[in-house]
Amino acid sequence: RKEVEQDPGPFNVPEGATVAFNCTYSNSASQSFFWYRQDCRKEPKLLMSVYSSGNEDGRFTAQLNRASQYISLLIRDSKLSDSATYLCVVNGPGNQFYFGTGTSLTVIP
Amino acid sequence: SQTIHQWPATLVQPVGSPLSLECTVEGTSNPNLYWYRQAAGRGLQLLFYSVGIGQISSEVPQNLSASRPQDRQFILSSKKLLLSDSGFYLCAWSQLYGNQPQHFGDGTRLSIL
Repeated sequence: RKEVEQDPGPFNVPEGATVAFNCTYSNSASQSFFWYRQDCRKEPKLLMSVYSSGNEDGRFTAQLNRASQYISLLIRDSKLSDSATYLCVVNGPGNQFYFGTGTSLTVIP
Repeated sequence: SQTIHQWPATLVQPVGSPLSLECTVEGTSNPNLYWYRQAAGRGLQLLFYSVGIGQISSEVPQNLSASRPQDRQFILSSKKLLLSDSGFYLCAWSQLYGNQPQHFGDGTRLSIL
């Protein structure tokens, strides 16, 4: 079983739509959680950390459900510039980072 | 603030040639350092990680090796490249403790001919 699993998509949504990505992780001892954004042929960049209480950064909202072992990312009012691959990342015991394979998002004009 | 530098950005090498990719981090001490490879359209594969000078852990068997000669320097090497070594190589760092995220270098796109 993979440490982190994501729906690969692709998600094709119109501008202004709300889109949500989910991610599940297998190790209940995982300690911290992140969403990264990766543009084509570029390095992953940290989008936001995910806290137990949930957190928001502008149009982006991240939530963590430890009981069910999943994290989510909600993007409201999608912009063309949001088109990218979104990576779910889990930091487990021993400071090991586990990456999902990414969810592809295309925002359509 | 912390920065990570990785070079070269692009590299084209013949099969059987050696490889050396370098990564340096500035603005922090005792970072964890990582080398990843990403094949086209695929996820990140962890190759090596290091928690200190001279301490290297390898995740997958391969013809690549890594070294950490200084606290903030991480080098990926090969004596003889294979076609299958083509890919996007990424160096990353994280704080040693505290559940902090990783930060990536710009990556090296390696093509083997």
